[in-house]
Amino acid sequence: GQNIDQPTEMTATEGAIVQINCTYQTSGFNGLFWYQQHAGEAPTFLSYNVLDGLEEKGRFSSFLSRSKGYSYLLLKELQMKDSASYLCAVMDSNYQLIWGAGTKLIIKP
Amino acid sequence: GAVVSQHPSRVICKSGTSVKIECRSLDFQATTMFWYRQFPKKSLMLMATSNEGSKATYEQGVEKDKFLINHASLTLSTLTVTSAHPEDSSFYICSARDGNERNTQYFGPGTRLTVL
Repeated sequence: GQNIDQPTEMTATEGAIVQINCTYQTSGFNGLFWYQQHAGEAPTFLSYNVLDGLEEKGRFSSFLSRSKGYSYLLLKELQMKDSASYLCAVMDSNYQLIWGAGTKLIIKP
Repeated sequence: GAVVSQHPSRVICKSGTSVKIECRSLDFQATTMFWYRQFPKKSLMLMATSNEGSKATYEQGVEKDKFLINHASLTLSTLTVTSAHPEDSSFYICSARDGNERNTQYFGPGTRLTVL
């Protein structure tokens, strides 16, 4: 079966760095996505990795290792507005997104 | 970036009535649109995939006669919840794929449905 695993909840301090991990097992792979979702809102796109390595975009970076079925989202210089759920999703061989359950990130002052 | 709109953003209806939700791609042609449902504190659940001009493909456990999907044009897909009941209350989100970009889905802002 297809499976995406990520922690349910994480807590971090404003100004710090946090890493959210995601492991996956899917039928085929056409890229891994990270989305941010604030309560009551639709997901917004953060990053897309299809090749191994690190993609950096401002305060957010995403890493992928296809051989290990592993990705992480790294958030630096955390701000209170970063409190949200972070969803890992993998696009399978049919170009369909398989979603993780999401990681709720709580930022404390 | 590409924009997807959804209408209405919120709807409250009485049990037994039908509700239609529209999903539009504003600046690109969406050959494929996806309808998701999300319960509180849960991840997105794919309900169905619709391709322009053909019948939607429903995920296992989703009643196609209850959740009617129409993708009549390259910029519009509609989801109709027929004979709605309180358990249909949920957050419904559509996403659209640009025909030229298979690896991307653009999300609408979502529709909060409350059935009394």
